[in-house]
Amino acid sequence: AQSVTQPDIHITVSEGASLELRCNYSYGATPYLFWYVQSPGQGLQLLLKYFSGDTLVQGIKGFEAEFKRSQSSFNLRKPSVHWSDAAEYFCAVGTTGGGNKLTFGTGTQLKVEL
Amino acid sequence: EAGVAQSPRYKIIEKRQSVAFWCNPISGHATLYWYQQILGQGPKLLIQFQNNGVVDDSQLPKDRFSAERLKGVDSTLKIQPAKLEDSAVYLCASSFGQGAEGYTFGSGTRLTVV
Repeated sequence: AQSVTQPDIHITVSEGASLELRCNYSYGATPYLFWYVQSPGQGLQLLLKYFSGDTLVQGIKGFEAEFKRSQSSFNLRKPSVHWSDAAEYFCAVGTTGGGNKLTFGTGTQLKVEL
Repeated sequence: EAGVAQSPRYKIIEKRQSVAFWCNPISGHATLYWYQQILGQGPKLLIQFQNNGVVDDSQLPKDRFSAERLKGVDSTLKIQPAKLEDSAVYLCASSFGQGAEGYTFGSGTRLTVV
């Protein structure tokens, strides 16, 4: 069965600093990988996704993520964080083929200090 | 493009009462999902529909939860009777095909069982 681990429950960074959120997955085949952001009281917004090809994926809001098969990781990065980036971030893995069930990690809460 | 619509946004009920949530997916999206997000956890898939048929309901507590998508468009999720541990945000999502790409989430219904 697939699983996702986000080892950091909370992260605090200063505005303007760089950010890296960690995600490790477990899945037997080539995974579909996603990063979502959730602001309080809101639904999940897709930041970026990886299906195949270039292992460095660019997303919205200046985010990027790198797929590393050897490390089973899909870490999210941003070179300069803005106060509006404060939110909860979820990594997810989706099944390939006909099934498209998403399995989410437990999330990382990002706090941005001004 | 209109997003995934859910109602109500909030609901407070007493334990052992029943409750129903409604979801209207994006027009043309054949696949519809209900996820449960308990506070401090990532969303967990409850049920997946393809048109009006159930694809996966392995995580749905069928003794108290039921869901339907009668005409392959709108869907309702019902809980009867509710338990305290059902307090969560219930997210609806839809996608065009069966692949894991292209999910769009609604804003969710926050249920509090007291």
